[in-house]
Amino acid sequence: AQSVTQPDIHITVSEGASLELRCNYSYGATPYLFWYVQSPGQGLQLLLKYFSGDTLVQGIKGFEAEFKRSQSSFNLRKPSVHWSDAAEYFCAVGGANNLFFGTGTRLTVIP
Amino acid sequence: EAGVAQSPRYKIIEKRQSVAFWCNPISGHATLYWYQQILGQGPKLLIQFQNNGVVDDSQLPKDRFSAERLKGVDSTLKIQPAKLEDSAVYLCASSSRDRNQPQHFGDGTRLSIL
Repeated sequence: AQSVTQPDIHITVSEGASLELRCNYSYGATPYLFWYVQSPGQGLQLLLKYFSGDTLVQGIKGFEAEFKRSQSSFNLRKPSVHWSDAAEYFCAVGGANNLFFGTGTRLTVIP
Repeated sequence: EAGVAQSPRYKIIEKRQSVAFWCNPISGHATLYWYQQILGQGPKLLIQFQNNGVVDDSQLPKDRFSAERLKGVDSTLKIQPAKLEDSAVYLCASSSRDRNQPQHFGDGTRLSIL
């Protein structure tokens, strides 16, 4: 069965600090993996996606994620967090047209 | 390009009333999705259309929810009658036929049931 686990419900980091958001998945085939960000009252914006090829994926806003098949993980990273990064982050797995989302990680950024 | 458009942005109704949401996908996108996002959870797929045909509606509570995409472009999602547990954000997304293209989401409709 397909599933996504985001073990951290809420993370607080200081502005300028590095960030890593964890995502583990279960999927029966080679997965397509995504990270979306959602600001309050808004829809989901795609940060990055992995379909195949290089396992280190670069996204928008300075984010990157690394696909580790052996660990069934797709963790999101950013070397230096900005206050505007405060939002909810969702990891998703699936085929190109059938997504399963995690429960999200809420990021708070403190000055 | 214009994004996925949804209306209304907010809706408040009493339980047992009916409500409808509208979605206009990105131009040229053949696939349209409706998701339900309950507070504190990730989005859950309700129904997926390919053009005007239903691809997947296995998670749609068909006793009260219905959706249509008659001309293969915009879509409506209806709830009748609404229950308290239907309070959620309803997100519409669309994607092209290219399997390597992701889904693009609208801003959603926040539904509150009193």
